[in-house]
Amino acid sequence: AQRVTQPEKLLSVFKGAPVELKCNYSYSGSPELFWYVQYSRQRLQLLLRHISRESIKGFTADLNKGETSFHLKKPFAQEEDSAMYYCALGSGNTGKLIFGQGTTLQVKP
Amino acid sequence: DGGITQSPKYLFRKEGQNVTLSCEQNLNHDAMYWYRQDPGQGLRLIYYSQIVNDFQKGDIAEGYSVSREKKESFPLTVTSAQKNPTAFYLCASSIQASGRYEQYFGPGTRLTVT
Repeated sequence: AQRVTQPEKLLSVFKGAPVELKCNYSYSGSPELFWYVQYSRQRLQLLLRHISRESIKGFTADLNKGETSFHLKKPFAQEEDSAMYYCALGSGNTGKLIFGQGTTLQVKP
Repeated sequence: DGGITQSPKYLFRKEGQNVTLSCEQNLNHDAMYWYRQDPGQGLRLIYYSQIVNDFQKGDIAEGYSVSREKKESFPLTVTSAQKNPTAFYLCASSIQASGRYEQYFGPGTRLTVT
């Protein structure tokens, strides 16, 4: 079955500390993986996707097919990074996204 | 901030009443989606439409219905058969119905049924 797991409901770090938000997936084919972010009082928006291998706002995520993971990382957290982060798996030709439960990142000053 | 709009922002209904949530997009996207967001459960897909006049059930379609008569519009009706309708509902669209494409989300509608 297709599934996305984000094991941490809440991750709290101090400003300047490294951040890693975990995401594991279960998918039989070649996965399309995304990180979406929802800042307070803003709509859900795409942060990055594995296929473009880009870095957005200092965040990176590497697809590890062996460990079936797509963890989101940032070397130095900023207060403005505080938000809800969702890992999502794109499903084939339907465009369906399967979301994880979400992780709230809280960056303390 | 156009793109994809949802109305109203807040909606209150009495139990036993059907209610329709609006979703409109001006992005010329073929595919549209409805999700339900509950605390601790992430987003769950209710219905999706890959093209006009066609739609498919998602993971939690029971108690919901949709229509897709126009490319720009994908309204969701929450029927009285939905056992737990109080939730935050998100509409999204993508250029095509493929897992490769970014989905663009609306601001959401918070429905409260009492």
